[in-house]
Amino acid sequence: IAGITQAPTSQILAAGRRMTLRCTQDMRHNAMYWYRQDLGLGLRLIHYSNTAGTTGKGEVPDGYSVSRANTDDFPLTLASAVPSQTSVYFCASSRSGGATPTDTQYFGPGTRLTVL
Amino acid sequence: AQSVTQLGSHVSVSEGALVLLRCNYSSSVPPYLFWYVQYPNQGLQLLLKYTSAATLVKGINGFEAEFKKSETSFHLTKPSAHMSDAAEYFCAVNRDDKIIFGKGTRLHILP
Repeated sequence: IAGITQAPTSQILAAGRRMTLRCTQDMRHNAMYWYRQDLGLGLRLIHYSNTAGTTGKGEVPDGYSVSRANTDDFPLTLASAVPSQTSVYFCASSRSGGATPTDTQYFGPGTRLTVL
Repeated sequence: AQSVTQLGSHVSVSEGALVLLRCNYSSSVPPYLFWYVQYPNQGLQLLLKYTSAATLVKGINGFEAEFKKSETSFHLTKPSAHMSDAAEYFCAVNRDDKIIFGKGTRLHILP
């Protein structure tokens, strides 16, 4: 049972470089999410997708983009990384997203990104 | 807009003692509330959730939480702490069909 996988596990990146964080789920969940976790700030939603083909902005979307070409994959791209994007990034999914507000979110193991 | 506030970024309890992690919510409508736990170097996992079916909600690993509308609270408790409970705990609320997390409380268990 894989659930949600994220890659890479960790990455050190030079500022200005482009980076894509990968997220794949095998639960056939409709909704997927990207969060960043920073000390003292908890988890903040970057982008989300309620179903394949649609995406939306979360609380902190600037500097990030996403796509949802199919149900399973939800990559997060940093077009030109900056040091303030140093964080731990978590991908999550839920069965039906906005349609069912009590849905449980299932999280991946995270990607630790350092931008120098 | 709905939000949650967790009181105390760090809480320490002795092994075998009561665990109490505090969460207060602000909401103009009955909220859906969650507690998630994050063990070291892992993602979050659901402990329990309040969906208005019952005010006392039981979760995994012996945790429970009580929804108190009069106090706008959803505190997490466990009667007897175990060393394996050391983790970070997040209270969360559903807002605009998305989950908004509190800033987290790190629970330390003292031997």
